[in-house]
Amino acid sequence: GAVVSQHPSRVICKSGTSVKIECRSLDFQATTMFWYRQFPKQSLMLMATSNEGSKATYEQGVEKDKFLINHASLTLSTLTVTSAHPEDSSFYICSARVSTTSTDTQYFGPGTRLTVL
Amino acid sequence: EDQVTQSPEALRLQEGESSSLNCSYTVSGLRGLFWYRQDPGKGPEFLFTLYSAGEEKEKERLKATLTKKESFLHITAPKPEDSATYLCAVQAVPAGTALIFGKGTTLSVSS
Repeated sequence: GAVVSQHPSRVICKSGTSVKIECRSLDFQATTMFWYRQFPKQSLMLMATSNEGSKATYEQGVEKDKFLINHASLTLSTLTVTSAHPEDSSFYICSARVSTTSTDTQYFGPGTRLTVL
Repeated sequence: EDQVTQSPEALRLQEGESSSLNCSYTVSGLRGLFWYRQDPGKGPEFLFTLYSAGEEKEKERLKATLTKKESFLHITAPKPEDSATYLCAVQAVPAGTALIFGKGTTLSVSS
């Protein structure tokens, strides 16, 4: 099956520092990856769509200068939270798209819990 | 506006007590409807994709069905390990469009 990994699984950082989260497709290539954010007891909120070799597309209300996304290869996308603040504390989840002529499925990573002190 | 509504918000069942979860949707053009399972502190795990009304898919104790307005996830004789949050999402045309998620149904199965 399609496996997506994320690293780190948990990170605690001080306010003002930057944190990088990696999302990898382990057994397939993904031209498109997605980044979501999930608050407790809430559903997933799409932050941005990451396309390999091009600029990410951000959802309305998501600051592109704060949440930097790089999709440098067909198996790796990174999300960098710059100058993190306590309100950025959340569960960040990536997904990778697997598309054929008849199917179009997103497979999710295990998530990264970010806590900003 | 494309929208996904799941009900109930929470469901408590006894082991072996079958039930159904509902996902109603409005979308301009449906490319696919997805069911995921999410355990606490984990990412969503893919269960099913349904593409057209009348389609059904099964996996162990789970069966997903689709009509033009809603989807049902039927759980037959659930076990405690089926306890999780079940998320429904739709994808509108064209291909590659982001998923729109419902808020989920949290299922608790007690022995």
